[in-house]
Amino acid sequence: NAGVMQNPRHLVRRRGQEARLRCSPMKGHSHVYWYRQLPEEGLKFMVYLQKENIIDESGMPKERFSAEFPKEGPSILRIQQVVRGDSAAYFCASSPPPAIGIRGEQYFGPGTRLTVT
Amino acid sequence: RKEVEQDPGPFNVPEGATVAFNCTYSNSASQSFFWYRQDCRKEPKLLMSVYSSGNEDGRFTAQLNRASQYISLLIRDSKLSDSATYLCVVIASGSARQLTFGSGTQLTVLP
Repeated sequence: NAGVMQNPRHLVRRRGQEARLRCSPMKGHSHVYWYRQLPEEGLKFMVYLQKENIIDESGMPKERFSAEFPKEGPSILRIQQVVRGDSAAYFCASSPPPAIGIRGEQYFGPGTRLTVT
Repeated sequence: RKEVEQDPGPFNVPEGATVAFNCTYSNSASQSFFWYRQDCRKEPKLLMSVYSSGNEDGRFTAQLNRASQYISLLIRDSKLSDSATYLCVVIASGSARQLTFGSGTQLTVLP
């Protein structure tokens, strides 16, 4: 049973380019979360998605960031016109439906390290 | 005030020692509590959930005091492999299940 998959593991972008980060949840999990960890800081929630639906995007920066979880395929976190301050580790987590994972445990993928030059 | 506060450490302890980490949370309506560990800024891994009655998993014991909004983790007979950053994590009521992380407590177990 594969865990949460993320790719790429490392991504280098120049300022102004776009970054696309992908996440496939664990089998049987229908809920996906994205978190960001800036250098020397803790993890911060960004967005919570179910298939074709954004449930909570209260942690997303207002501009340049978007996320989706289509009916087919992985969840995508998209950062347009990247800046140096976007350099961070971006972690995806997944959880089973609330009826199963009643305590809300989330399982994390290996992360994508984004470096903006 | 931070939503979840932890002593950042570092804690340097010899193998076999018992070490305790504390955590406080500010939202009294918080509903779920966890300890995660993170190695060298790799992905966080769920160590254990924390139940109101307290719970134990091998050498690890977690306690929750809702009245004081305080969570603890006790590690007995510490191993070199326990060296990591320990993250106190909370789900606040009505937060749509987002995890709120403490900044972590760094533990190094010395031979």
